[in-house]
Amino acid sequence: EVQLVQSGAEVKKPGESLKISCKGSGYSFTSYWIGWVRQMPGKGLEWMGIIYPGDSDTRYSPSFQGQVTISADKSISTAYLQWSSLKASDTAMYYCARLPLGYNWFDPWGQGTLVTVSS
Amino acid sequence: SYVLTQPPSVSVAPGQTARITCGGNNIGSKSVHWYQQKPGQAPVLVVYDDSDRPSGIPERFSGSNSGNTATLTISRVEAGDEADYYCQVWDSSSDSWVFGGGTKLTVL
Repeated sequence: EVQLVQSGAEVKKPGESLKISCKGSGYSFTSYWIGWVRQMPGKGLEWMGIIYPGDSDTRYSPSFQGQVTISADKSISTAYLQWSSLKASDTAMYYCARLPLGYNWFDPWGQGTLVTVSS
Repeated sequence: SYVLTQPPSVSVAPGQTARITCGGNNIGSKSVHWYQQKPGQAPVLVVYDDSDRPSGIPERFSGSNSGNTATLTISRVEAGDEADYYCQVWDSSSDSWVFGGGTKLTVL
């Protein structure tokens, strides 16, 4: 069974750094793109960026370029999303999701990681 | 950048047919995908490539895409179909993945 399991909820203060993870299993992790999607409280889905773990090729949405860093460690089948200095406006649920080879939809999705940034 | 427009809400009685639209400039030339998100859960793919269903998704879910509008159709609506639904495309001109704003389906 293809699964993406994300790290647990985080509570951080403004200005702190954070790295959340997404571990893939049940498939060849290096052969599929992984995307990250933000969902702010009560709002819709926003595409943040994607990474190809095989060679770490990464693409960002213009809205998130320079705001976050996407990376992957193929040795442990894990993708990451990180912030160097969190803001209150980063409070959201973050999902990772796999893109089937050669296609542009997301399936399956991880269970989500809730990030709360508050002083 | 490419914009997808969905109605904020759609209401339907049980057993009836729900139609959720997704508007975009010449969207008929793109492949449209649809996701269902129930409260407190991650999104689930229900239709891909305009009209194909992943395994495990009931035949009641179908899709179409032409001109400037794509449509997700849910036949014989059940209470369990109450959720937010999002359309999504890949915009080749900007190499970006784009989501619609989402539609809340209420089963009366």
